[in-house]
Amino acid sequence: AQSVTQLGSHVSVSEGALVLLRCNYSSSVPPYLFWYVQYPNQGLQLLLKYTTGATLVKGINGFEAEFKKSETSFHLTKPSAHMSDAAEYFCAVSNTGANSKLTFGKGITLSVRP
Amino acid sequence: DGGITQSPKYLFRKEGQNVTLSCEQNLNHDAMYWYRQDPGQGLRLIYYSQIVNDFQKGDIAEGYSVSREKKESFPLTVTSAQKNPTAFYLCASRSRGQETQYFGPGTRLLVL
Repeated sequence: AQSVTQLGSHVSVSEGALVLLRCNYSSSVPPYLFWYVQYPNQGLQLLLKYTTGATLVKGINGFEAEFKKSETSFHLTKPSAHMSDAAEYFCAVSNTGANSKLTFGKGITLSVRP
Repeated sequence: DGGITQSPKYLFRKEGQNVTLSCEQNLNHDAMYWYRQDPGQGLRLIYYSQIVNDFQKGDIAEGYSVSREKKESFPLTVTSAQKNPTAFYLCASRSRGQETQYFGPGTRLLVL
């Protein structure tokens, strides 16, 4: 079985400040890991993903995440928050193979203060 | 343009009524998925289909039904047995051999 824990439901930062959204996972096999972003009343958009190889993954809009196997973590960061980053962020884990399924965390709402 | 379309954007259901949510993709993806999103609960998998004419139950399939008669279409029916259907419903698809799921814009279902 696989699971994802996103601590806290809401994070608020000032514009220009560091963004750090935490994600810890549980998986019995080497995982694929994802971060998605959702703007109000819209679908999910892929920010970045880790499958194999380099553990520091860069995504769209200046976000990046680092896969740390020893800590079972995949935290999302951005050096400088922008007002347009305000959204809900979901971390997800997938098993590998043809029958792969995504398991999502509960999501974190990011607010950006001017 | 390639993508996933969901219709309608908003859907209203009367008590005891079955309603069907549409999901169409022109990405030539093999696998398709239906998720339910409730505030503070993330996304939960309802049904998924890896190939045409085959589908499997997800974590919360009770009160829902699906069909997969065409590769590009995966409609979801919310039956009268689903007692709490108010939610945001998201459809996704994935290409065989690829790990990323791509999402449609969603349908918000409300109960009258």
